[in-house]
Amino acid sequence: GQQLNQSPQSMFIQEGEDVSMNCTSSSIFNTWLWYKQDPGEGPVLLIALYKAGELTSNGRLTAQFGITRKDSFLNISASIPSDVGIYFCAGQLGAQKLVFGQGTRLTINP
Amino acid sequence: NAGVTQTPKFRVLKTGQSMTLLCAQDMNHEYMYWYRQDPGMGLRLIHYSVGEGTTAKGEVPDGYNVSRLKKQNFLLGLESAAPSQTSVYFCASTSYGGEKLFFGSGTQLSVL
Repeated sequence: GQQLNQSPQSMFIQEGEDVSMNCTSSSIFNTWLWYKQDPGEGPVLLIALYKAGELTSNGRLTAQFGITRKDSFLNISASIPSDVGIYFCAGQLGAQKLVFGQGTRLTINP
Repeated sequence: NAGVTQTPKFRVLKTGQSMTLLCAQDMNHEYMYWYRQDPGMGLRLIHYSVGEGTTAKGEVPDGYNVSRLKKQNFLLGLESAAPSQTSVYFCASTSYGGEKLFFGSGTQLSVL
């Protein structure tokens, strides 16, 4: 099946630091999405990207749809304790076809 | 709004036992999905439904069956549980074509 390679798999940072993570694929996607999963909960959509090159922000979060349509990036500025969780990228090939990355687990030291 | 509700939240089964996981959504969504989440594997699609009375296979359908008799409910069945089915199961729904999913809080299943 389709594979998304998400990196890094885990991050340990200090509160206040900026965070960067990315997702790459061998396939082209029409849409890229970023979800966050809090402990014990289901993922929640953070940002959706629809066009190659698109840069979209949601508060301290900024995500970009790569020009090649095979990658996407998520940045978190000035991290705070509530940013802790697992971040998933997902690519959409068509209706009902979402492929998820393996996730990036973010841990923040106060 | 309750959103997407999954029951039960936790379950322990013995190999060979059967069980059904229930997903209910109150958002009048057409599309519903069952995913499993395993460490290092992300979320993998088991089965999905694009409307009442319809179901389709996802990426990892073997060992599971589903039914969508009512628009608001999507059931996931394990006829003969195996240890490889130990996982966290998530139900999701959307009114669009698989993009902005709303997830339940998950069911943690252990098969011994």
